[in-house]
Amino acid sequence: DIQMTQSPSSLSASVGDRVTITCRASQSISSYLNWYQQKPGKAPKFLIYAASSLQSGVPSRFSGSGSGTDFTLTISSLQPEDFATYYCQQSYNTPWTFGQGTKVEIK
Amino acid sequence: EVQLVESGGGLVQPGRSLRLSCTASGFTFGDYAISWVRQAPGKGLEWVGFIRSKAYRGTTEYAASVKGRFTISRDDSKSIAYLQMNSLKTEDTAVYYCTRDLHISGYYGMDVWGQGTTVTVSS
Repeated sequence: DIQMTQSPSSLSASVGDRVTITCRASQSISSYLNWYQQKPGKAPKFLIYAASSLQSGVPSRFSGSGSGTDFTLTISSLQPEDFATYYCQQSYNTPWTFGQGTKVEIK
Repeated sequence: EVQLVESGGGLVQPGRSLRLSCTASGFTFGDYAISWVRQAPGKGLEWVGFIRSKAYRGTTEYAASVKGRFTISRDDSKSIAYLQMNSLKTEDTAVYYCTRDLHISGYYGMDVWGQGTTVTVSS
């Protein structure tokens, strides 16, 4: 199975900050990498697919990059509604696997 | 409105069975693969498995942790997917989500999620 490792596990940031979350795969997954946002008590929300393609309706302050084994999710200017947990997920092969999550908290 | 609604969760004893349903609306259900994802209390997301669309023969794939115990099926005439869970273990306790699997230019992503249904396995 492909292991997905996110860093950091949590971070504290202020509104307006630029935030970067890293996701590393245990083997090359090309660009088969998705990002999700989850708020407490809610279902995850699909943000980015194919490593860098923004899902329809997702604000442009979110962006993704990377290929192979190393990927990043960047929030260019953190907004109050962005405080949540973020997960990466590979769809290169089954079983699909998620990172352990990165919790973005208010500083 | 595109929507998925899970049902069938509850409290069940270890070793028993439970069947979850995922009812879709607002899109052509038969055109999409459907996944099940679970989240144990206070933990991260775990993919359980998926069923492909009939265009891809409706085949299934499962995580190792549930293979042989869980079965995913679908009834496209009713726009419902099912997760049959047998031989349940305490570690199967989780919120179970069904998702629509978007397929864009060869890339898959889970673009629509249900609200989740809670399964508690306990004696």
